Amino acid sequence: EVQLVESGGDLIQPGGSLRLSCAASGFTVSGNYMSWVRQAPGEGLQWVSVSYSDGSTSYADSVKGRFTISRDSSKNTLYLQMNSLRAEDTAVYFCARVATGSYWAFDIWGQGTMVTVSS
Amino acid sequence: DIQMTQSPSSLSASVGDRVTITCRASQSISTYLNWYQQKPGKAPNLLIYAASSLQSGVPSRFSGSGSGTDFTLTISSLQPEDFATYYCQQTYSTPWTFGQGTKVEIK
Repeated sequence: EVQLVESGGDLIQPGGSLRLSCAASGFTVSGNYMSWVRQAPGEGLQWVSVSYSDGSTSYADSVKGRFTISRDSSKNTLYLQMNSLRAEDTAVYFCARVATGSYWAFDIWGQGTMVTVSS
Repeated sequence: DIQMTQSPSSLSASVGDRVTITCRASQSISTYLNWYQQKPGKAPNLLIYAASSLQSGVPSRFSGSGSGTDFTLTISSLQPEDFATYYCQQTYSTPWTFGQGTKVEIK
């Protein structure tokens, strides 16, 4: 079965760090573009970052320099390292597969993991 | 950054109604436009990609059209399971931005 399962969300103090994981099954993370999207409570969707299959990456301005997307092919897992966390980073974080043959639509999504930044 | 503006922000409709949601991009995005449905507490689900292509497994009552800056999502006959929030997204250039969402509620 093709699926993504996120983990690692937690309550963290401002300025702290957290690493989210996204385990894939049914396809390889290394062979696909993979992305993170977040959704603050009661708000809409916000794109966060993408990891291209060639290893290059891109970030939203709001997280650039603080967040790092990476992948581990041996574990078939995508990560999001989040540093210098702020209250405005509080959100459900989703990972998603980017279907490059479909105009880069996000065709597979995980269930999400909640990150709360608060003292 | 490319701004995506959806209208309306919310609408009330009855089962069987034809529903149209529009999405406007701040600059031309060709057909790099996707539509998602999201139900409360769930992940988004891809409905339409490349402006008008129906994702596998999505009912044919959903359709999309448009190119350039103006796009529409149409539900031909609203069903009870269609009450949800709908988002458009451009993937023409990063940052890949979403519209603010359109909540479809029961009249």
